[in-house]
Amino acid sequence: QEQLVQSGAEVKKPGASVRVSCKASGYTFIGYYIHWVRQAPGQGLEWMGWISPNNGVTNYAQNFQGRVTMTRDTSTNTTYMDLTSLRSDDTAVYYCARARGRSGWYILLYWGQGTLVTVSS
Amino acid sequence: QSPLTQPASVSGSPGQSITISCTATTSDILKYNFVSWYQHHPDEAPKLMIYEVKNRPSGVSNRFSGSKSGNTASLTISGLQAEDEADYYCSSYTGSNTYVVFGGGTKLTVL
Repeated sequence: QEQLVQSGAEVKKPGASVRVSCKASGYTFIGYYIHWVRQAPGQGLEWMGWISPNNGVTNYAQNFQGRVTMTRDTSTNTTYMDLTSLRSDDTAVYYCARARGRSGWYILLYWGQGTLVTVSS
Repeated sequence: QSPLTQPASVSGSPGQSITISCTATTSDILKYNFVSWYQHHPDEAPKLMIYEVKNRPSGVSNRFSGSKSGNTASLTISGLQAEDEADYYCSSYTGSNTYVVFGGGTKLTVL
């Protein structure tokens, strides 16, 4: 069955960078976009962007452009989300999510378990 | 500020029906049938409940239904159950730049 397993919690200092991984299993990795979504404490869901595992093409939300990079490794079926110049308001649970399909690339059907990133001095 | 506006909270008693609205405030985001709804329980991953306005993924109860009229999409939950208490988010493709946006979320309380 389709599954996304994310890396563990991280604690970072302001100005540092963080990498969160998302390992896919149970389906053809290159066939479906992976999105990244975050939720800060007490806030709603915030879409960060997507990556096509097939060709590595990415599209980032305007709020994150210049600070986020999404990559993939097709040999391990893993997607990575790097966020740089961390600030305290980047403290959030970060989720990866797989799209429903090629035409439903904007429909987030399967989700990872979430990774808590805490930014604190 | 999200271009999709949802009420902050709604409530209902077990067995009742409730409706959560999602209104596009600044553009024609909801002009097309790209609306999805997600249920989010604390400390769990969000769950897709409705996609393309009214379609349910496999395994989602038929107590959940979606609709759209003009620039407002709606999620209706009938026969409320305690387990339905969660946050609900609408989402849509923006129709340009291949972006996705979420509404601000609605907290459902089952009384």
